Amino acid sequence: ETGVTQSPTHLIKTRGQQVTLRCSSQSGHNTVSWYQQALGQGPQFIFQYYREEENGRGNFPPRFSGLQFPNYSSELNVNALELDDSALYLCASRTGLVANSPLHFGNGTRLTVT
Amino acid sequence: QQQVKQSPQSLIVQKGGISIINCAYENTAFDYFPWYQQFPGKGPALLIAIRPDVSEKKEGRFTISFNKSAKQFSLHIMDSQPGDSATYFCAASGEGYQKVTFGTGTKLQVIP
Repeated sequence: ETGVTQSPTHLIKTRGQQVTLRCSSQSGHNTVSWYQQALGQGPQFIFQYYREEENGRGNFPPRFSGLQFPNYSSELNVNALELDDSALYLCASRTGLVANSPLHFGNGTRLTVT
Repeated sequence: QQQVKQSPQSLIVQKGGISIINCAYENTAFDYFPWYQQFPGKGPALLIAIRPDVSEKKEGRFTISFNKSAKQFSLHIMDSQPGDSATYFCAASGEGYQKVTFGTGTKLQVIP
């Protein structure tokens, strides 16, 4: 069973640039969520995709956008990067939308905005 | 109302001791309470979870205690080992389970 994989592992961007982060969900999982984890903080929910549709969004501006593909992999796009966007971005997959379907996280992409 | 408050921020326990981490929530719509363990350079991994219809759940050395009336829950790690040294997050979800709300984390260090 292949777990959640994310790429790249590290990324350095300049303020104002755009970035795309990628995630391959765990085999058999059709739901993907993205979380932002600032240093020393808990993960913050960005949005979730279920069957290629966004079906939940946290308190993040529209410059954070995403996609889910037919194979359930996903992308997170961030436009007009700001210094505060520097964080660990975590992708998590699970099966469906039931409570006892736990999130399976990847190891994240560490984004640094200078 | 969506917050989950977690304490302490850091914890040092001797090998063989009991580690206790506490969390509190406000949103009564939450009905699923997982705990995640995160090692440096890794993503969080589910440790144990509880629904509010039970007051305690035990898996090996890990126990969740849940107090629905007080809106509090806690993680107890019995016989703590150096390999348990990690950051622990309590979390909560409900209302369609789209979003999991995490606490701020507790960095546990178990010393030999």
